[in-house]
Amino acid sequence: EAGVAQSPRYKIIEKRQSVAFWCNPISGHATLYWYQQILGQGPKLLIQFQNNGVVDDSQLPKDRFSAERLKGVDSTLKIQPAKLEDSAVYLCASSFIWSYEQYFGPGTRLTVT
Amino acid sequence: AQKVTQAQTEISVVEKEDVTLDCVYETRDTTYYLFWYKQPPSGELVFLIRRNSFDEQNEISGRYSWNFQKSTSSFNFTITASQVVDSAVYFCALSEAGQNFVFGPGTRLSVLP
Repeated sequence: EAGVAQSPRYKIIEKRQSVAFWCNPISGHATLYWYQQILGQGPKLLIQFQNNGVVDDSQLPKDRFSAERLKGVDSTLKIQPAKLEDSAVYLCASSFIWSYEQYFGPGTRLTVT
Repeated sequence: AQKVTQAQTEISVVEKEDVTLDCVYETRDTTYYLFWYKQPPSGELVFLIRRNSFDEQNEISGRYSWNFQKSTSSFNFTITASQVVDSAVYFCALSEAGQNFVFGPGTRLSVLP
């Protein structure tokens, strides 16, 4: 069974530029999560989708971050404009509905210079 | 607000020793879920276990065991007869009713040959 796919794996941008990350969850997983993991810290939930709807986006910096889940499958996370403190690994995870056992993708390492 | 504390930042043990990773959580909800994840040097987070707040039964899976005690708000993880492959960062996480996922800061375990 294919795992959670993410692209790109690495991205380097200058501050004030924009960037987008893509995630394809495990087939059949209705719930999709985006996390930010800063080096040396635990993952921080940015947004949780259940099918097309947003369940939790309380920690998403909405002035610069946005996310959407296309047709309840793939998802895109965007940062516009990026700041130096956005340098982190962005993780996507998915789970069966009501299971909450999350399976993570390899992440996208973002460096903002 | 919910919180997860992992007081041990780093632990080093020699192979075949037993090791316990501590996790203390805070929540006001009566319905919550607790998790442990492993992040090996490769970086991809791996799900280990989920426990819900109504099930205090301890669990054993091979060399891994978990001790959930609501009275002390703890969910500790023990590795018996540790192996070099157990070297990783281990995260404890909490979710209130399937939302508001919070990860602890992690404990880095080094198992020396």
